Amino acid sequence: RKEVEQDPGPFNVPEGATVAFNCTYSNSASQSFFWYRQDCRKEPKLLMSVYSSGNEDGRFTAQLNRASQYISLLIRDSKLSDSATYLCVVKSPGGSYIPTFGRGTSLIVHP
Amino acid sequence: GAGVSQSPSNKVTEKGKDVELRCDPISGHTALYWYRQSLGQGLEFLIYFQGNSAPDKSGLPSDRFSAERTGGSVSTLTIQRTQQEDSAVYLCASSQFPPGLAGENAYEQYFGPGTRLTVT
Repeated sequence: RKEVEQDPGPFNVPEGATVAFNCTYSNSASQSFFWYRQDCRKEPKLLMSVYSSGNEDGRFTAQLNRASQYISLLIRDSKLSDSATYLCVVKSPGGSYIPTFGRGTSLIVHP
Repeated sequence: GAGVSQSPSNKVTEKGKDVELRCDPISGHTALYWYRQSLGQGLEFLIYFQGNSAPDKSGLPSDRFSAERTGGSVSTLTIQRTQQEDSAVYLCASSQFPPGLAGENAYEQYFGPGTRLTVT
């Protein structure tokens, strides 16, 4: 099992739709979780951290399910500008301080 | 404030030549990472610097790759005798907190715009 797994998509949704992505991780002791957004031919940019209690930022909601070892990202009222690849990032405990990036989920929002 | 900067933004080189890529992290960030990303692929970790500790070089694909970080700030990634398979976007990232400090966001990384390397 890969350390961090994401459905590559693409998820093709109309404007205004609600869409959700999941990301599973293999190390149950993982501590820190993030969602990044990467536009085509651009660098990844931090979208939001995922806190244990879940967190919301405008139209975006991130949640952590430790029992099932996954994090989720929910986007409400999708905009054309939300079209991008969404990367899941997991930081495991221990001596390695290197976060593990998922391969990303592609989202396409169409008119 | 200023973000992570990288130079050059694009580099075209002939196979067999050496190249140097530069990264200026965010001021005050103690951790610095190098990644590379081939077209349509995920991020591949290369090397990690943390303060004055020995770098974690576990991701370097061959001994043609090396990196240094001077004065705990600027970093240079060097690729010797470049090969066509080295063509990729090389991304640098920095983060604020060293390992061990509390805080759920201790490992938030901020990326530079990358250097697009093409080996012909």
